[in-house]
Amino acid sequence: KAGVTQTPRYLIKTRGQQVTLSCSPISGHRSVSWYQQTPGQGLQFLFEYFSETQRNKGNFPGRFSGRQFSNSRSEMNVSTLELGDSALYLCASQPSNYGYTFGSGTRLTVV
Amino acid sequence: GENVEQHPSTLSVQEGDSAVIKCTYSDSASNYFPWYKQELGKGPQLIIDIRSNVGEKKDQRIAVTLNKTAKHFSLHITETQPEDSAVYFCAASTQSNSGYALNFGKGTSLLVTP
Repeated sequence: KAGVTQTPRYLIKTRGQQVTLSCSPISGHRSVSWYQQTPGQGLQFLFEYFSETQRNKGNFPGRFSGRQFSNSRSEMNVSTLELGDSALYLCASQPSNYGYTFGSGTRLTVV
Repeated sequence: GENVEQHPSTLSVQEGDSAVIKCTYSDSASNYFPWYKQELGKGPQLIIDIRSNVGEKKDQRIAVTLNKTAKHFSLHITETQPEDSAVYFCAASTQSNSGYALNFGKGTSLLVTP
């Protein structure tokens, strides 16, 4: 059974640019959540999508947005990139209320 | 909001010894407490979880205990092996039919030496 797939694995962007990250959940999982992981702040919740609707949202600025498609695949977008946005972005999927399965993440570096 | 504290930040044990990682949480409404293991270059992997209606749960060499009154929960790994070396994260959340968001501790870097 395929796991959670995140693309790309690595990304380098310049300040002020925007970026789109992609996540394909495990087949049958309808919920997709996104987390940001940094050495300083640790793992922080960005948002959760279920059946194409944002169900929960973390405390991040409006530059961070996401969406979910009818096949449960999800994308997150960060606009006007700042140096502090450099992080590992993790996507997780889950069936109903069981535990998350995380992908390996997208490592974003902003220069 | 929920605040999760995790200790210690680093832990070094000899192979075969036990390892214990402790976490405290602040929100009494939290009812779901998972533990994740993260190896280098990989995403966190769920290793065990416990819900607030249970005081202890075991899975082979791993056990988790929960004290709701004191708002703390712990991970116990017995007979540690070098492959247990990784960063471990605790988390707390309020699960509902509207999903949940995990509040993570800062992590414990566990090193098991042969």
